[in-house]
Amino acid sequence: EVQLVASGGGLVQPGSSLKLSCFASGFTFSDFHMHWIRRAPKKGLEWVAMIYYDGGHNFYADSVKGRFTVSRDNSKNTLYLEMNSLRSEDTAMYYCARYRNNVDFWGQGVMVTVSS
Amino acid sequence: DIVMTQSPTSMSISVGDRVTMNCKASQNVGSNVDWYQQKTGQSPKLLIYKASNRYTGVPDRFTGSGSGTDFTFTITNMQTEDLAVYYCMQSNSYPFTFGSGTKWEI
Repeated sequence: EVQLVASGGGLVQPGSSLKLSCFASGFTFSDFHMHWIRRAPKKGLEWVAMIYYDGGHNFYADSVKGRFTVSRDNSKNTLYLEMNSLRSEDTAMYYCARYRNNVDFWGQGVMVTVSS
Repeated sequence: DIVMTQSPTSMSISVGDRVTMNCKASQNVGSNVDWYQQKTGQSPKLLIYKASNRYTGVPDRFTGSGSGTDFTFTITNMQTEDLAVYYCMQSNSYPFTFGSGTKWEI
């Protein structure tokens, strides 16, 4: 069974840092590009970042570029999102998702709340 | 960035209705549009990929069409379990971008 289990969320103050993890199982993790996508409360989906299957390339939304870093450890079947200089507008449910020809499976999400 | 303009934003419907939603891309995205369903408290699920291809296990009452800049997603014979927010997403170029979502309510 394909599973993507995200962790590491929580309540943090503006300006602080947080690192999300997403553990993959049930498929060959190193065969898939991986994405982070978020949904802020009462808002729609926003694509955040992606990383190639081998970690060789990554892309970011303008809203997080320079503050967020996506990485992966294929030996641990784990995707990461390091988030720095967090702002209130980063408050959202963060989903990890896999991609080969399409973004076909999403994890359950982890909540990040940025508030003083 | 490519802007995906989705309509309508929300609509009240009845079980058994045929419902249609649209996405218009701000530039040509070929057939690289996917449609997702998100129910309350759940993660999004892929329904249609590359504009018109039904994903594994998706009922045939869900269909997609379009290419270039104009895309349509249709649910025929709407069921109670189809009440959700639906999103289009262009995967033609980074950053991927979503439409604002369409919420169907009874």
